[in-house]
Amino acid sequence: AQKVTQAQTEISVVEKEDVTLDCVYETRDTTYYLFWYKQPPSGELVFLIRRNSFDEQNEISGRYSWNFQKSTSSFNFTITASQVVDSAVYFCALPPNAGNNRKLIWGLGTSLGVNP
Amino acid sequence: DADVTQTPRNRITKTGKRIMLECSQTKGHDRMYWYRQDPGLGLQLIYYSFDVKDINKGEISDGYSVSRQAQAKFSLSLESAIPNQTALYFCATSQGPDTQYFGPGTRLTVL
Repeated sequence: AQKVTQAQTEISVVEKEDVTLDCVYETRDTTYYLFWYKQPPSGELVFLIRRNSFDEQNEISGRYSWNFQKSTSSFNFTITASQVVDSAVYFCALPPNAGNNRKLIWGLGTSLGVNP
Repeated sequence: DADVTQTPRNRITKTGKRIMLECSQTKGHDRMYWYRQDPGLGLQLIYYSFDVKDINKGEISDGYSVSRQAQAKFSLSLESAIPNQTALYFCATSQGPDTQYFGPGTRLTVL
């Protein structure tokens, strides 16, 4: 079965600290994508990144970086020098396998609070 | 303008009323989805549509119905609203099984 686990329910940091959000997944597929989404307090769901299992290189986008390790089935998300605007719930998601092409499998999210 | 729009953004209604939530997209995507989000339960799929003539039930379709009026429009109906349908509802679109893009959400309260 496919599964996404975000073990950290809530994290609180002080502005400018670095913070890493963990995502561990289970899949039988040999190739797959992984996603991260952000849900700020205003409620919308914002797509952050899609990662292909072929590519294990780390991805960096400004203060955001993602560490994908197929050997440990993890796709962790790091925010460097966090800011108050980073306060949100962050979701990791895994697309369906070929035989169940219906929906993303979602983690339950990690609520990040960045305090000034 | 937003690529995926939802109307209304907020709605308060009473038990037993029929409610329709609408979703439109300008992304040209073929697939559209309706989700609900409840605190602590994450996102649950209600219905999904791969094209205008292909509509499928998700994991929690009871009490809901949908209509795909055009490639760009997908509406969700609650035939007779009940309080446990109070939730945040999201529409999403994708091109094939690729990245899903979400609308801004509709906050529905059933009294």
